[in-house]
Amino acid sequence: DIQMTQSPSALSASVGDRVTITCRASQSISNSINWYQVKPERAPKVLIYSASTLQSGVPSRFSGSGSGTDFTLIISSLQPDDYATYFCQQSYMTPRTFGQGTKVEIK
Amino acid sequence: QVQLVQSGAELKKPGASVKVSCKASGYTFTDYYINWVRQAPGRGLEWMGWIHPDSGGTDSAQNFQGRVTLTRDTSSSTAYMELSRLTSDDTAVYYCARVVALAGQEGSWYDPWGQGTLVTVSS
Repeated sequence: DIQMTQSPSALSASVGDRVTITCRASQSISNSINWYQVKPERAPKVLIYSASTLQSGVPSRFSGSGSGTDFTLIISSLQPDDYATYFCQQSYMTPRTFGQGTKVEIK
Repeated sequence: QVQLVQSGAELKKPGASVKVSCKASGYTFTDYYINWVRQAPGRGLEWMGWIHPDSGGTDSAQNFQGRVTLTRDTSSSTAYMELSRLTSDDTAVYYCARVVALAGQEGSWYDPWGQGTLVTVSS
């Protein structure tokens, strides 16, 4: 199985801060990585797919980059609605595997 | 709009089974795979398996093989996940999600997800 190592596991940031979350795959996954936002009592939502494509309706402050094994999700200017947990997921092969998650909390 | 609506919360005793439903609307049910994912308290997301609603073909993660059964009813556009021999470790929120892939894009992704079904296993 492909292991996805996500960091940090949690971070505290203020509104307006730039936030960077990374994900490293245990083998090359080309560009087959997605990023999801999960909030309590809400359905998870895809933010970025295929490493860097912004899902329709997602604010442009979210961006993704990387290829091969190293990937990054950036929130350019953190907003109050962005406090949530973020997960990466590889779709290169089955079983689909996720990173451990990054909880973004209010500083 | 495209939507997946799951059944309500369940409380089960150890050793029992649970069956969660996922009703699709707003798109052709048989055109897209459905995946199942769970999140235990304080844990990450764990992929459980998929079903192809058209053929009924399935696959599941090794952790769940022999315990999970994925089915569908095309007449009602509903997918089902049944998990047997429950233990306290199966206490989690269970999600269904539609798999999307586009020509020219690598891989596939989940959109939308169901709202989640909390399954609590307790004696």
